[in-house]
Amino acid sequence: GAVVSQHPSWVICKSGTSVKIECRSLDFQATTMFWYRQFPKQSLMLMATSNEGSKATYEQGVEKDKFLINHASLTLSTLTVTSAHPEDSSFYICSARATSGGRETQYFGPGTRLLVL
Amino acid sequence: DAKTTQPTSMDCAEGRAANLPCNHSTISGNEYVYWYRQIHSQGPQYIIHGLKNNETNEMASLIITEDRKSSTLILPHATLRDTAVYYCIAAIYNDYKLSFGAGTTVTVRA
Repeated sequence: GAVVSQHPSWVICKSGTSVKIECRSLDFQATTMFWYRQFPKQSLMLMATSNEGSKATYEQGVEKDKFLINHASLTLSTLTVTSAHPEDSSFYICSARATSGGRETQYFGPGTRLLVL
Repeated sequence: DAKTTQPTSMDCAEGRAANLPCNHSTISGNEYVYWYRQIHSQGPQYIIHGLKNNETNEMASLIITEDRKSSTLILPHATLRDTAVYYCIAAIYNDYKLSFGAGTTVTVRA
């Protein structure tokens, strides 16, 4: 299957700082990527849809000014958590759409664990 | 997207087939059934998906009932590494927004 990477795999930061998370499709191009968030013992929640060359689409309740998404190329999307606070501590996971053999599938990255102190 | 219902948890014996049920009684005609799994502290892993025909790949088989109101994921020979949370998701093919429920926590025991 297609490979999606995330960097960093984990990050610890002070409250008030901004953190950037990268999501890359390594062996395919992705016009659409997705960002999810997962709190402990909970399921994944879709935050936003990232479209290459255009603005991201945010889910209801997700602040676009706090979670900045940039999809500058067909293989890279970035999520910046601005002015992070302890309640932003979570597991952030990206995914990318890929078409293989005429079938479309969504592949996920390994996730980035964020801890805000 | 149609809501799916899965058992909260199930145990399986190593080496035996694991049959994971999923109900999606309100699924619409353009919604596919996707299965993903998430091993602890990792991103979800794609397993298989289908519309109405049964599907098989190197990981699993997907059996969809004729009325499409339910499906079963079959892991033919469960191993300890198959221990994970398994998610059954109904999603429109072109829209492709995945809505994750609670899933089924599958524990494979030796």
